[in-house]
Amino acid sequence: QVQLVDSGGGLVKPGESLRLSCAASGFTFNDYYMSWIRQAPGKGLEWVSHITTSSRYTNYADSVKGRFSISRDNAKNSLYLQMNSLRAEDTAVYYCARMHGSGSFWIGLWGQGTLVTVSS
Amino acid sequence: QSVLTQPPSVSGAPGQRVTISCTGSSSNIGAGYDVHWYQQVPGTAPKLLIYRNTNRPSGVPDRFSGSKSGTSASLAISGLQAEDEAHYYCQSYDSSLSDSMVFGGGTKVTVL
Repeated sequence: QVQLVDSGGGLVKPGESLRLSCAASGFTFNDYYMSWIRQAPGKGLEWVSHITTSSRYTNYADSVKGRFSISRDNAKNSLYLQMNSLRAEDTAVYYCARMHGSGSFWIGLWGQGTLVTVSS
Repeated sequence: QSVLTQPPSVSGAPGQRVTISCTGSSSNIGAGYDVHWYQQVPGTAPKLLIYRNTNRPSGVPDRFSGSKSGTSASLAISGLQAEDEAHYYCQSYDSSLSDSMVFGGGTKVTVL
């Protein structure tokens, strides 16, 4: 079954760290660029970061640059997001997402999402 | 404030046609980047509806159609059905943001 399963969310205090994971199955993981996209409660979608197939290139939204780090392990079919110095405004559901196309990529497969809550 | 502008809400009676606009600028849609559309039912992950401006993935009804012109794009839903009640998001890229993925703020479609 082609799917992405997100995990690792939870309740943390401001300034703390959290690592999200995404397990891919049913497709050749290392053929695809991957992204993390988040959605704050009651708000719209916000792209967070993406990584190329070989991890050579990564890109981040300005709102998380310097605090978040995306990585992947193609041998384990897994995507990660290391989130440091978390802030209240990072509270959101985080989705792992498979990118399709080239240039103007689109998201062809989404994880179920994992909720991150940053609160004291 | 989203880079791509969508109306917060649109509504229509069953069977009617509604359209959702997605307005950008010369650094995103107007620069030639494709526009893609997603449908999100509350409590679930988004689902791809239209890719590369006009293309429907397999399984998406042909009631959904997309178009793009200049610095804007549109999603049309014809023959509106109760199950179409959801949030809809447009997505593209922006060269002024280091070629980052950008989304519209989303549009809530209500079936009256």
